[in-house]
Amino acid sequence: GAGVSQSPSNKVTEKGKDVELRCDPISGHTALYWYRQSLGQGLEFLIYFQGNSAPDKSGLPSDRFSAERTGGSVSTLTIQRTQQEDSAVYLCASSFAYGYTFGSGTRLTVV
Amino acid sequence: QQQVKQSPQSLIVQKGGISIINCAYENTAFDYFPWYQQFPGKGPALLIAIRPDVSEKKEGRFTISFNKSAKQFSLHIMDSQPGDSATYFCAASWGDSNYQLIWGAGTKLIIKP
Repeated sequence: GAGVSQSPSNKVTEKGKDVELRCDPISGHTALYWYRQSLGQGLEFLIYFQGNSAPDKSGLPSDRFSAERTGGSVSTLTIQRTQQEDSAVYLCASSFAYGYTFGSGTRLTVV
Repeated sequence: QQQVKQSPQSLIVQKGGISIINCAYENTAFDYFPWYQQFPGKGPALLIAIRPDVSEKKEGRFTISFNKSAKQFSLHIMDSQPGDSATYFCAASWGDSNYQLIWGAGTKLIIKP
């Protein structure tokens, strides 16, 4: 597609439920990144996929968070047993070399 | 050192004025310095970027000034407009890191009409 697509755009879930967030990167982009952005805050790195290499999971805040990237394309970020502190905007970005293209994000609200 | 330090955290400028946001870095291997602009409800979007072989790059009202010896770069917005109100992020990367961007903390810019 022309840009990075994220779905859903908004998600409200009950505390303790699992959620899946999806990212469709730009075709041909080998790198894919997930970030978390709390209200009015900066970009918190979560995980990075580069081609067929093992992902860099160093930013995942707990073992409740996981992500996969299938076929070098679509990625899913899964949060298990959601907590209220997980409420934030989750941004996905893809790149082929220098510079990232971001999606519009998924706003997650845990109630 | 992997950090990119951005200042100020927030900035209010009158319409028509010059907005200036600064960033500093330590890693001399960095070879790409972009600025991203983020509007509420949107992801950051690339605004302008510079390589260290030039000291200045201008695109319309937006200019990056780069000081290699001081390891600093800044974004200047001339004739600032209310539509420029957004959060601005500086970043840096280098090829040997697979182009991963190291981000500044962001600056919330408000242009008063």
